[in-house]
Amino acid sequence: DMKVTQMPRYLIKRMGENVLLECGQDMSHETMYWYRQDPGLGLQLIYISYDVDSNSEGDIPKGYRVSRKKREHFSLILDSAKTNQTSVYFCASSLRGSQNTLYFGAGTRLSVL
Amino acid sequence: KTQVEQSPQSLVVRQGENCVLQCNYSVTPDNHLRWFKQDTGKGLVSLTVLVHENDKTSNGRYSATLDKDAKHSTLHITATLLDDTATYICVVGDRGSALGRLHFGAGTQLIVIP
Repeated sequence: DMKVTQMPRYLIKRMGENVLLECGQDMSHETMYWYRQDPGLGLQLIYISYDVDSNSEGDIPKGYRVSRKKREHFSLILDSAKTNQTSVYFCASSLRGSQNTLYFGAGTRLSVL
Repeated sequence: KTQVEQSPQSLVVRQGENCVLQCNYSVTPDNHLRWFKQDTGKGLVSLTVLVHENDKTSNGRYSATLDKDAKHSTLHITATLLDDTATYICVVGDRGSALGRLHFGAGTQLIVIP
């Protein structure tokens, strides 16, 4: 079963707290992504990972970092969360090559108060 | 500047009617274009991908066209069902390689009413 799983689905944090968003996939995809989705905007790429320990910044990496120690698992970390990081975060995975379709998780809705 | 523009922003149709969603883009180069469906509170699911000039694809009641000269794509939904209620997102890839980037539109919110 091809699946991308995100945990948690909902999260409320106070400004300045650390946040860990987790993502797993069971398709052995090399490439994994973290996006955020805000109302009225297209998805914005935060980080892309081409394989274990091979991560690159996306378009909006400031305030975020990632960790990929196993191919099937990709984490997004917010050190000292800010209110403008309130958003819905999506993880996705794909075979290598952007023409291959992305498989998305159901998203994590993060509120930073 | 937004490189992928979708219209209309939202659309309400009655069940059984047909509808057309538009996507205009300025991404260069434009390697491929993909349409996704996003149900409320869910992730995006790929509907179809168009690669070549004047490509046409069909996936059940969904069909799509691509005009690379005009940098324009349409998504047609035939005989809409209540389950078609969702946001439809157009995504343009600038390269097919691993280094290619995807450019997302903000989506068209489709509401199908009985």
